Amino acid sequence: LQLQESGPGLVKPSETLSLTCTVSGASVGSGDCYWGWLRQSPGKGLEWIATVSCIGTTYYNPSLRSRVTVSVDTSNNHVSLKMKFVVAADTAVYFCARLDTGYGTSWFESWGQGSLVSVSS
Amino acid sequence: QSVLTQPPSASGTPGQRVTISCSGSSSNIGTNYIYWYQHFPGTAPKLLIYVNNQRPSGVPDRFSGSKSGTSASLAISGLRSEDEADYFCAAWDAGLSQWVFGGGTKVTVL
Repeated sequence: LQLQESGPGLVKPSETLSLTCTVSGASVGSGDCYWGWLRQSPGKGLEWIATVSCIGTTYYNPSLRSRVTVSVDTSNNHVSLKMKFVVAADTAVYFCARLDTGYGTSWFESWGQGSLVSVSS
Repeated sequence: QSVLTQPPSASGTPGQRVTISCSGSSSNIGTNYIYWYQHFPGTAPKLLIYVNNQRPSGVPDRFSGSKSGTSASLAISGLRSEDEADYFCAAWDAGLSQWVFGGGTKVTVL
């Protein structure tokens, strides 16, 4: 399983950040599948953004919910993240991850290497 | 400002045992599972421990996890030079309704 994040490295303030996570070695639409997005701002810890199931059920970080949309594209086998009205504080390395399930819960099992997005005019 | 608290650094000589702590609260570690990851900057984080103390296949048994109350620990025994990396903990926080993470601990092999 490999996950590769891609998207523009630079986004202007107030615009929309769009990232794609291309999945190889697994189908985004099959199995007990959940996919997540996380980010790490410079010098800060990790922050969970959202999780989406392969049937489209979404779970969002309450602090980001109003600006974020995540979705699964089964035809292209990728997972998407859109974050609108970005500000400088959204500058971060963005990771996608596959969640595994068991023991009545789920966790981030495989990660991409991350994609740096800078918000600047 | 991470919800889970980790020491920023830890170190040891080859062969030693190093322990990394992760402190939380009743709404995260106290009631939910803890997870540990190894991260070399610029690469994909790697899952080391899931549901408190289980190792995925391929993770050496030198890595072990434990949890007690609102704290957890990751132990690395028989420290090796390739263990020099960042390590962070994660847990679901029922109060915040989100995943929370430690700030990461950089392990240095002296």
